[in-house]
Amino acid sequence: RKEVEQDPGPFNVPEGATVAFNCTYSNSASQSFFWYRQDCRKEPKLLMSVYSSGNEDGRFTAQLNRASQYISLLIRDSKLSDSATYLCVVDPGGGADGLTFGKGTHLIIQP
Amino acid sequence: EAGVAQSPRYKIIEKRQSVAFWCNPISGHATLYWYQQILGQGPKLLIQFQNNGVVDDSQLPKDRFSAERLKGVDSTLKIQPAKLEDSAVYLCASSLGGDFQETQYFGPGTRLLVL
Repeated sequence: RKEVEQDPGPFNVPEGATVAFNCTYSNSASQSFFWYRQDCRKEPKLLMSVYSSGNEDGRFTAQLNRASQYISLLIRDSKLSDSATYLCVVDPGGGADGLTFGKGTHLIIQP
Repeated sequence: EAGVAQSPRYKIIEKRQSVAFWCNPISGHATLYWYQQILGQGPKLLIQFQNNGVVDDSQLPKDRFSAERLKGVDSTLKIQPAKLEDSAVYLCASSLGGDFQETQYFGPGTRLLVL
């Protein structure tokens, strides 16, 4: 089983719609979770950390479900500029192996 | 504040040749990471430095890949000899300390094509 799994998409979503995607992780001892955004031919950039209580940043909401070992990202009122690949990132913790990235979910916002 | 710098931005070589990449992290960042990102995949950590010491190189193919950070600032990643499957983007990232909960800042990457 892969450590971090994401639906690669692409998700084609009309502008203004709400879109959500999940990511599952295999290591139940994982400590920290993040969503990174990567634009085409650009480097990844941190979008938001994911906290146990869930967190919101403007139109973006991240949730963590430890029991089911998944994290989610919800984007409300999507903009054309939200088109990108969203990478789910997990830190196993305990000093082992560094951050583990998923393959990413490709999101296309259509006008 | 200047970001993470990498050079070259692009490199095309033939298999069995050698290649080296350079990274200059954000000033004051103690931790430096090298990642390999193959097309369609997420970045995979190759090696992590804390100052000039190696913290994690468990996924570095040590028969052909090497990396150093001699003075705890700049770093070089070398591939010798290169294989076709090494074609990828090599991303350097840095963070202030060594805690993975800290934000990692990525450089623009070096795109390597091995023919």
